[in-house]
Amino acid sequence: SQTIHQWPATLVQPVGSPLSLECTVEGTSNPNLYWYRQAAGRGLQLLFYSVGIGQISSEVPQNLSASRPQDRQFILSSKKLLLRDSGFYLCAWSRRGLNQPQHFGDGTRLSIL
Amino acid sequence: EDQVTQSPEALRLQEGESSSLNCSYTVSGLRGLFWYRQDPGKGPEFLFTLYSAGEEKEKERLKATLTKKESFLHITAPKPEDSATYLCAVPMDTGRRALTFGSGTRLQVQP
Repeated sequence: SQTIHQWPATLVQPVGSPLSLECTVEGTSNPNLYWYRQAAGRGLQLLFYSVGIGQISSEVPQNLSASRPQDRQFILSSKKLLLRDSGFYLCAWSRRGLNQPQHFGDGTRLSIL
Repeated sequence: EDQVTQSPEALRLQEGESSSLNCSYTVSGLRGLFWYRQDPGKGPEFLFTLYSAGEEKEKERLKATLTKKESFLHITAPKPEDSATYLCAVPMDTGRRALTFGSGTRLQVQP
């Protein structure tokens, strides 16, 4: 069966510090990968998605970037965090092809001080 | 632009009191609708996919139905462990392979 792992579960960072969140998927090959942010009481906002190694599409211009160095590894990064980057970050995967359900990790709660 | 609206925002039920959650959508052509359950501090858990009007899916006390304009998640005789936020989502309209989510319905089932 497929599993998705995200870490860390919680993170507290000072303003201006760098960020690296990692996500890995097991039990499937060539997945589509996604990063979402969920603000308190609001829906999920798509940040990035990837259909293959090195292929990243950005949905929202911002202070973040994403990379996919391996088939089942997706990384969310920032060089300098801002206060507004606080939130709940979720990684997801889906099978190739259109209109596939996405399966989520348990998220990272990021607090910027 | 695709839009997904869920109602009510919050719902409080007594254990055993059946009800329905609504998800209405505006898309240029329906390519599927997904229901998720999200517990506090966790990622959404996939429940159902519906692809065509008239389709129904069931899982334990949950049944999802789909029309051309909306979907319903029916909860029959809920238990306290059904308390969660329920999200619906539709594929984005530009082939970006991602989903547009509604804001969710927070369901609380009291014993």
